[in-house]
Amino acid sequence: KNEVEQSPQNLTAQEGEFITINCSYSVGISALHWLQQHPGGGIVSLFMLSSGKKKHGRLIATINIQEKHSSLHITASHPRDSAVYICAVGPLDSNYQLIWGAGTKLIIKP
Amino acid sequence: DTAVSQTPKYLVTQMGNDKSIKCEQNLGHDTMYWYKQDSKKFLKIMFSYNNKELIINETVPNRFSPKSPDKAHLNLHINSLELGDSAVYFCASSQFLGVRNTEAFFGQGTRLTVV
Repeated sequence: KNEVEQSPQNLTAQEGEFITINCSYSVGISALHWLQQHPGGGIVSLFMLSSGKKKHGRLIATINIQEKHSSLHITASHPRDSAVYICAVGPLDSNYQLIWGAGTKLIIKP
Repeated sequence: DTAVSQTPKYLVTQMGNDKSIKCEQNLGHDTMYWYKQDSKKFLKIMFSYNNKELIINETVPNRFSPKSPDKAHLNLHINSLELGDSAVYFCASSQFLGVRNTEAFFGQGTRLTVV
């Protein structure tokens, strides 16, 4: 079993729908990152969380440290949100190592 | 406009060859990294440069040599490639040193296959 599990692996939705991607982890962490990769592109940081909730535009990320769970929400989804979303955690014993989830491939249809 | 770009995306080469992977970031970040991803999706830090200065050099064979001509570039040169070097290598950058308290941006990865 991987130390970072994401669900779902694939998600197809219609434009305008509310999207939720989940991430569960089994190790103690210093921070959790949500990352986005468009086809053929680099991986960009969306959020870095160590507690609570953060919001950037239509994106919201939450983390529950006790339950070792984080969610990424997209409101009013748009075809340009189509990408792979990756959850990555920084284990407590390192400032540089990251453990990545397998990613969630999101497709938003117009 | 890609924030961190690395080339090539795929690299297939024979044992014993020497190869380079290039990385560039246009974010104005001070710190750049090379990571090797293992089969369990764990990113193991290899090197980190801060303002062109080598900060972290983990226990990596000395066949691997990073070169940072300026803050925006960190290239990885590998001599005498071995089968065990096959992996996906990621370049990354962040404003400050370390990913504990700062966001990191990654290239798309280079899948190296040594045959």
